Amino acid sequence: ELKVEQNPLFLSMQEGKNYTIYCNYSTTSDRLYWYRQDPGKSLESLFVLLSNGAVKQEGRLMASLDTKARLSTLHITAAVHDLSATYFCAVADNTDKLIFGTGTRLQVFP
Amino acid sequence: NAGVTQTPKFRILKIGQSMTLQCTQDMNHNYMYWYRQDPGMGLKLIYYSVGAGITDKGEVPNGYNVSRSTTEDFPLRLELAAPSQTSVYFCASLYSSGNTIYFGEGSWLTVV
Repeated sequence: ELKVEQNPLFLSMQEGKNYTIYCNYSTTSDRLYWYRQDPGKSLESLFVLLSNGAVKQEGRLMASLDTKARLSTLHITAAVHDLSATYFCAVADNTDKLIFGTGTRLQVFP
Repeated sequence: NAGVTQTPKFRILKIGQSMTLQCTQDMNHNYMYWYRQDPGMGLKLIYYSVGAGITDKGEVPNGYNVSRSTTEDFPLRLELAAPSQTSVYFCASLYSSGNTIYFGEGSWLTVV
């Protein structure tokens, strides 16, 4: 059964600092998604990673995928307050079941 | 293009009542999913479908039923509402594996 774990669960960062969120999963998969959720809102797509070694960047966020290690990272560069949100990774197994991680609540302060 | 549309947005149910959450997408997507999100928690998969006439259980299917008679619609049925089903429900769809997943706006359900 596919399990998806994220860490940390909560992250408090100062503006301008860098940090990485980790997403580990338990079974073979070649599809990993990153989403952002603001309080009381739906989910906003950030990245779709489809192959080993895939790296995608958008603004201050960069995501990568290592299918051999069953690990994805979401790296935040020079954090700003607008990045405060909850970030989720999601992994699809070979039956197209899509399982979400526990989420990382990011708070960026001045 | 409306995307993924969920109705109702808010609903209060009494224990033991039944209701259906509607989900419709106009993007000709094959895959559709239902999730629930409890306060401060992540998303848990209830049911999913890879095409019309095909449905499968997710992580937390007990107390729910689904059907997929058309590509566009994927309704979620609660037969005997319980307080434990108080949650926010999200419907999602995608065209095929590897593409972006689109989410509806969510349905806030309270069972009292």
